[in-house]
Amino acid sequence: QKEVEQNSGPLSVPEGAIASLNCTYSDRGSQSFFWYRQYSGKSPELIMSIYSNGDKEDGRFTAQLNKASQYVSLLIRDSQPSDSATYLCAVNRFSGGYNKLIFGAGTRLAVHP
Amino acid sequence: DVKVTQSSRYLVKRTGEKVFLECVQDMDHENMFWYRQDPGLGLRLIYFSYDVKMKEKGDIPEGYSVSREKKERFSLILESASTNQTSMYLCASSGAVLHSNQPQHFGDGTRLSIL
Repeated sequence: QKEVEQNSGPLSVPEGAIASLNCTYSDRGSQSFFWYRQYSGKSPELIMSIYSNGDKEDGRFTAQLNKASQYVSLLIRDSQPSDSATYLCAVNRFSGGYNKLIFGAGTRLAVHP
Repeated sequence: DVKVTQSSRYLVKRTGEKVFLECVQDMDHENMFWYRQDPGLGLRLIYFSYDVKMKEKGDIPEGYSVSREKKERFSLILESASTNQTSMYLCASSGAVLHSNQPQHFGDGTRLSIL
């Protein structure tokens, strides 16, 4: 079992719809969760962070965390073609005295006009 | 804004060469990281450093070494490049290592091809 799992996609949604991206993780001790967006050929860009159970909203983005179910999701409202990218879920792992981020392989989102 | 700068966007080297990838950050961050990213495998941690002259192995350190002589600079070294090291290499930095809520900020990446 991978430490951080994401559906690779592609997830195809029409412009204006809500895109829902999901991520599960295996380490119950994880405390911090991040969503990165990566355009093709570019580096990952941080878009959301969440640390407590529940929802966190930032503009068109909402991150949702459920630690009991070891599940984190990202909702993108009013999806635009410019949102087409790969979305990486990252979860902290504390081992050997250090915090590291473990990344999922990413979900590719395609927003079509 | 955090700025992480990698010295080259594209690099082509030959098998057996010693290759240096350079990374500089301007936010006085303690931690710096080197990843490689391959299709279907995601980001994999090669090495990281939490202080000057300190280094720790990540998940795939074989065939690589690192150097951190100054806080702002972290170098990845391929001792004897091989074709299976053809990949996208990403450098990242973050704040204090004991604080799990510190995100990592990435450079633009170096696409390295070994012929």
